[in-house]
Amino acid sequence: GNSVTQMEGPVTLSEEAFLTINCTYTATGYPSLFWYVQYPGEGLQLLLKATKADDKGSNKGFEATYRKETTSFHLEKGSVQVSDSAVYFCALSSANQAGTALIFGKGTTLSVSS
Amino acid sequence: DVKVTQSSRYLVKRTGEKVFLECVQDMDHENMFWYRQDPGLGLRLIYFSYDVKMKEKGDIPEGYSVSREKKERFSLILESASTNQTSMYLCASSLEWGTDHYGYTFGSGTRLTVV
Repeated sequence: GNSVTQMEGPVTLSEEAFLTINCTYTATGYPSLFWYVQYPGEGLQLLLKATKADDKGSNKGFEATYRKETTSFHLEKGSVQVSDSAVYFCALSSANQAGTALIFGKGTTLSVSS
Repeated sequence: DVKVTQSSRYLVKRTGEKVFLECVQDMDHENMFWYRQDPGLGLRLIYFSYDVKMKEKGDIPEGYSVSREKKERFSLILESASTNQTSMYLCASSLEWGTDHYGYTFGSGTRLTVV
Protein backbone atom coordinates (compact mmCIF):
# COMPACT_ATOMS: atom_id res chain seq x y z
CA GLY A 1 0.00 0.00 0.00
CA ASN A 2 0.88 3.66 -0.07
CA SER A 3 3.25 4.91 2.61
CA VAL A 4 5.52 7.76 3.63
CA THR A 5 8.87 7.44 5.39
CA GLN A 6 10.52 10.39 7.10
CA MET A 7 13.88 10.69 8.75
CA GLU A 8 13.65 10.21 12.46
CA GLY A 9 14.27 13.12 14.76
CA PRO A 10 14.81 15.05 16.70
CA VAL A 11 16.83 17.36 14.50
CA THR A 12 18.73 19.95 16.52
CA LEU A 13 20.25 22.96 14.74
CA SER A 14 21.68 26.35 15.55
CA GLU A 15 20.03 29.44 14.14
CA GLU A 16 20.98 30.16 10.51
CA ALA A 17 21.99 26.55 9.84
CA PHE A 18 20.86 24.69 6.71
CA LEU A 19 17.97 22.27 7.15
CA THR A 20 17.13 19.08 5.29
CA ILE A 21 14.40 16.69 6.37
CA ASN A 22 14.24 13.61 4.17
CA CYS A 23 10.97 12.14 2.95
CA THR A 24 10.46 9.20 0.62
CA TYR A 25 7.21 7.63 -0.46
CA THR A 26 5.69 4.50 -1.93
CA ALA A 27 2.60 4.99 -4.02
CA THR A 28 0.74 3.79 -7.06
CA GLY A 29 -0.18 6.36 -9.63
CA TYR A 30 0.72 10.00 -9.23
CA PRO A 31 -0.06 11.29 -5.76
CA SER A 32 0.19 14.88 -4.65
CA LEU A 33 2.81 15.50 -1.96
CA PHE A 34 2.65 17.81 1.02
CA TRP A 35 4.60 19.13 3.97
CA TYR A 36 2.68 20.11 7.08
CA VAL A 37 4.01 21.85 10.18
CA GLN A 38 2.71 21.59 13.74
CA TYR A 39 3.75 24.25 16.23
CA PRO A 40 3.54 23.40 19.94
CA GLY A 41 -0.04 23.08 21.15
CA GLU A 42 -1.57 23.59 17.73
CA GLY A 43 -3.03 21.58 14.88
CA LEU A 44 -1.27 20.96 11.58
CA GLN A 45 -0.84 23.71 9.00
CA LEU A 46 -0.13 23.20 5.33
CA LEU A 47 3.42 24.41 4.65
CA LEU A 48 3.81 23.59 0.96
CA LYS A 49 2.69 21.16 -1.71
CA ALA A 50 3.52 19.75 -5.14
CA THR A 51 1.05 18.05 -7.42
CA LYS A 52 3.22 16.55 -10.17
CA ALA A 53 6.74 15.37 -10.87
CA ASP A 54 9.45 18.07 -10.86
CA ASP A 55 7.13 20.61 -9.23
CA LYS A 56 8.76 22.66 -6.49
CA GLY A 57 6.66 23.76 -3.57
CA SER A 58 7.84 26.73 -1.52
CA ASN A 59 6.66 28.82 1.41
CA LYS A 60 8.27 30.85 4.23
CA GLY A 61 11.76 30.02 2.91
CA PHE A 62 11.09 26.28 2.85
CA GLU A 63 11.29 24.32 -0.41
CA ALA A 64 10.67 20.75 -1.56
CA THR A 65 10.87 19.23 -5.04
CA TYR A 66 8.72 16.30 -6.18
CA ARG A 67 11.25 13.73 -7.49
CA LYS A 68 9.48 10.83 -9.13
CA GLU A 69 12.69 9.01 -10.10
CA THR A 70 13.82 8.81 -6.47
CA THR A 71 10.28 8.88 -4.97
CA SER A 72 11.36 11.68 -2.68
CA PHE A 73 10.10 15.04 -1.42
CA HIS A 74 12.84 16.37 0.86
CA LEU A 75 12.19 19.57 2.81
CA GLU A 76 14.95 22.21 2.82
CA LYS A 77 15.56 25.66 4.24
CA GLY A 78 18.70 27.67 3.79
CA SER A 79 18.75 29.43 7.15
CA VAL A 80 16.53 28.26 10.01
CA GLN A 81 15.20 30.47 12.80
CA VAL A 82 14.22 29.69 16.37
CA SER A 83 10.60 30.22 15.31
CA ASP A 84 10.89 27.24 12.93
CA SER A 85 11.01 24.86 15.89
CA ALA A 86 8.08 22.52 15.32
CA VAL A 87 7.12 19.05 14.14
CA TYR A 88 7.16 18.55 10.36
CA PHE A 89 5.04 15.95 8.59
CA CYS A 90 5.40 14.70 5.04
CA ALA A 91 2.19 13.40 3.45
CA LEU A 92 0.82 12.06 0.21
CA SER A 93 -2.69 11.92 -1.19
CA SER A 94 -4.05 8.43 -1.58
CA ALA A 95 -7.17 7.81 -3.61
CA ASN A 96 -9.42 4.80 -3.33
CA GLN A 97 -12.90 4.04 -4.54
CA ALA A 98 -14.44 6.02 -1.72
CA GLY A 99 -12.40 9.18 -1.89
CA THR A 100 -9.01 10.63 -1.12
CA ALA A 101 -7.27 10.80 2.22
CA LEU A 102 -3.79 11.91 3.20
CA ILE A 103 -1.25 9.41 4.47
CA PHE A 104 1.25 10.98 6.86
CA GLY A 105 4.77 10.16 7.87
CA LYS A 106 5.52 9.87 11.58
CA GLY A 107 6.80 13.42 11.84
CA THR A 108 10.22 14.94 12.46
CA THR A 109 10.80 17.25 15.41
CA LEU A 110 13.01 20.24 14.67
CA SER A 111 14.58 22.22 17.51
CA VAL A 112 16.47 25.42 16.66
CA SER A 113 18.57 27.19 19.28
CA SER A 114 19.89 30.74 19.21
CA ASP B 1 -10.93 33.56 8.47
CA VAL B 2 -12.02 30.08 7.46
CA LYS B 3 -11.43 27.37 9.99
CA VAL B 4 -12.10 24.02 11.55
CA THR B 5 -13.24 24.16 15.16
CA GLN B 6 -13.00 21.31 17.63
CA SER B 7 -15.26 21.78 20.61
CA SER B 8 -12.77 20.93 23.35
CA ARG B 9 -9.01 21.34 23.70
CA TYR B 10 -8.75 19.02 26.68
CA LEU B 11 -11.05 16.26 27.92
CA VAL B 12 -10.76 13.80 30.78
CA LYS B 13 -13.15 10.85 30.74
CA ARG B 14 -13.55 7.64 32.70
CA THR B 15 -13.13 4.15 31.33
CA GLY B 16 -16.41 2.87 29.89
CA GLU B 17 -17.92 6.30 29.26
CA LYS B 18 -19.40 7.21 25.89
CA VAL B 19 -17.42 10.14 24.52
CA PHE B 20 -18.36 12.59 21.79
CA LEU B 21 -15.76 14.71 20.01
CA GLU B 22 -17.26 17.43 17.87
CA CYS B 23 -15.82 19.14 14.81
CA VAL B 24 -17.33 21.98 12.79
CA GLN B 25 -16.01 23.59 9.61
CA ASP B 26 -17.22 26.80 8.00
CA MET B 27 -15.70 26.32 4.53
CA ASP B 28 -18.49 24.27 2.92
CA HIS B 29 -16.00 21.45 2.42
CA GLU B 30 -17.21 18.08 1.19
CA ASN B 31 -14.71 15.88 2.99
CA MET B 32 -14.04 15.61 6.70
CA PHE B 33 -11.57 13.40 8.56
CA TRP B 34 -10.67 12.21 12.02
CA TYR B 35 -7.08 11.31 12.88
CA ARG B 36 -5.40 10.39 16.11
CA GLN B 37 -1.84 11.46 16.83
CA ASP B 38 0.45 9.48 19.09
CA PRO B 39 4.18 9.87 19.81
CA GLY B 40 6.24 7.71 17.50
CA LEU B 41 3.21 6.71 15.42
CA GLY B 42 2.39 9.98 13.69
CA LEU B 43 -1.15 10.54 12.43
CA ARG B 44 -3.44 7.61 11.81
CA LEU B 45 -6.75 7.89 10.01
CA ILE B 46 -9.77 6.72 12.01
CA TYR B 47 -12.74 7.60 9.79
CA PHE B 48 -13.55 9.97 7.01
CA SER B 49 -16.68 11.23 5.31
CA TYR B 50 -17.04 12.55 1.77
CA ASP B 51 -20.70 13.57 2.04
CA VAL B 52 -23.51 14.04 4.53
CA LYS B 53 -24.56 10.75 6.12
CA MET B 54 -21.68 8.95 4.38
CA LYS B 55 -18.68 7.49 6.18
CA GLU B 56 -15.68 5.35 5.41
CA LYS B 57 -13.35 3.46 7.72
CA GLY B 58 -9.77 4.52 7.90
CA ASP B 59 -6.83 2.52 9.16
CA ILE B 60 -7.86 2.20 12.82
CA PRO B 61 -11.68 2.35 13.14
CA GLU B 62 -12.04 -0.22 15.93
CA GLY B 63 -13.65 1.22 19.03
CA TYR B 64 -14.87 4.33 17.21
CA SER B 65 -17.89 5.42 15.23
CA VAL B 66 -18.79 8.68 13.50
CA SER B 67 -21.81 10.75 12.62
CA ARG B 68 -22.31 13.33 9.90
CA GLU B 69 -25.87 14.63 9.89
CA LYS B 70 -24.96 18.05 8.49
CA LYS B 71 -22.28 19.01 6.01
CA GLU B 72 -20.42 21.25 8.44
CA ARG B 73 -20.31 18.88 11.43
CA PHE B 74 -18.46 15.59 11.87
CA SER B 75 -18.59 13.83 15.23
CA LEU B 76 -16.30 11.12 16.51
CA ILE B 77 -17.83 8.75 19.08
CA LEU B 78 -15.98 6.49 21.46
CA GLU B 79 -18.66 3.96 22.35
CA SER B 80 -16.94 2.78 25.54
CA ALA B 81 -13.77 4.70 26.24
CA SER B 82 -10.65 2.74 27.14
CA THR B 83 -7.25 3.87 28.38
CA ASN B 84 -5.62 2.97 25.06
CA GLN B 85 -7.74 5.66 23.44
CA THR B 86 -5.89 8.35 25.36
CA SER B 87 -4.51 10.46 22.53
CA MET B 88 -4.59 13.72 20.59
CA TYR B 89 -7.51 13.74 18.15
CA LEU B 90 -7.34 15.92 15.06
CA CYS B 91 -10.20 16.82 12.76
CA ALA B 92 -9.63 18.06 9.20
CA SER B 93 -11.65 19.05 6.18
CA SER B 94 -11.00 19.44 2.46
CA LEU B 95 -12.77 20.24 -0.76
CA GLU B 96 -14.29 17.39 -2.75
CA TRP B 97 -11.67 14.91 -3.73
CA GLY B 98 -11.27 16.15 -7.28
CA THR B 99 -9.45 19.16 -5.80
CA ASP B 100 -7.80 17.46 -2.88
CA HIS B 101 -4.36 18.51 -3.99
CA TYR B 102 -5.02 21.74 -2.07
CA GLY B 103 -4.62 19.77 1.13
CA TYR B 104 -6.47 19.78 4.40
CA THR B 105 -7.42 22.37 6.95
CA PHE B 106 -6.94 21.06 10.47
CA GLY B 107 -8.53 21.94 13.77
CA SER B 108 -6.39 22.63 16.84
CA GLY B 109 -6.93 19.17 18.26
CA THR B 110 -8.57 17.62 21.32
CA ARG B 111 -6.30 16.00 23.86
CA LEU B 112 -8.33 13.19 25.42
CA THR B 113 -7.26 11.40 28.57
CA VAL B 114 -9.15 8.28 29.64
CA VAL B 115 -8.64 7.32 33.27
